[in-house]
Amino acid sequence: DQQVKQNSPSLSVQEGRISILNCDYTNSMFDYFLWYKKYPAEGPTFLISISSIKDKNEDGRFTVFLNKSAKHLSLHIVPSQPGDSAVYFCAASRGSARQLTFGSGTQLTVLP
Amino acid sequence: DTGVSQNPRHKITKRGQNVTFRCDPISEHNRLYWYRQTLGQGPEFLTYFQNEAQLEKSRLLSDRFSAERPKGSFSTLEIQRTEQGDSAMYLCASSLELGGHYGYTFGSGTRLTVV
Repeated sequence: DQQVKQNSPSLSVQEGRISILNCDYTNSMFDYFLWYKKYPAEGPTFLISISSIKDKNEDGRFTVFLNKSAKHLSLHIVPSQPGDSAVYFCAASRGSARQLTFGSGTQLTVLP
Repeated sequence: DTGVSQNPRHKITKRGQNVTFRCDPISEHNRLYWYRQTLGQGPEFLTYFQNEAQLEKSRLLSDRFSAERPKGSFSTLEIQRTEQGDSAMYLCASSLELGGHYGYTFGSGTRLTVV
């Protein structure tokens, strides 16, 4: 049972345009959501997070939106830069244990 | 602070052999996590420690797997009698639990290949 799903394995956008990465979850007990970025041969790097009590969190070029009724979250990157090309993982957690359930990732390619 | 360090970076072993990986977390972090990642998938939780106490283990962590974190500092993950299905990237992460929620800091991982 895949509790966190990223249905798009890949996404290509032009430099300067908006990148929108999507994530769906099934477990309504999740109370915290995170996005990680991963470059080849490196571990995932924390990007941005959002609590279930909020519907939006912004950090520079990155904004995460949470729609609890739809069990859906998205990551917006504006403007996209070639250095943003990486695999992006959506993750969710519940409770104090903080163990994360990850999606399978989306490969973002930003074309110059 | 050099981040989370994992050794070795790569390990090739024959089926049936035992392997041990080491993780050195960020020094002030009190939580340490182990994850496993296979090709095309996201990381999967294996186990975590708060200080030296192992608080939770995934059902993915069979009896052949054991993890320790003596004195709440570095951690080791041992796999006994390795199988080809154990081939994966093993990721360690650490965090400072302050009652809020912060993203982990991951290491670069140990890639295990069982031949």
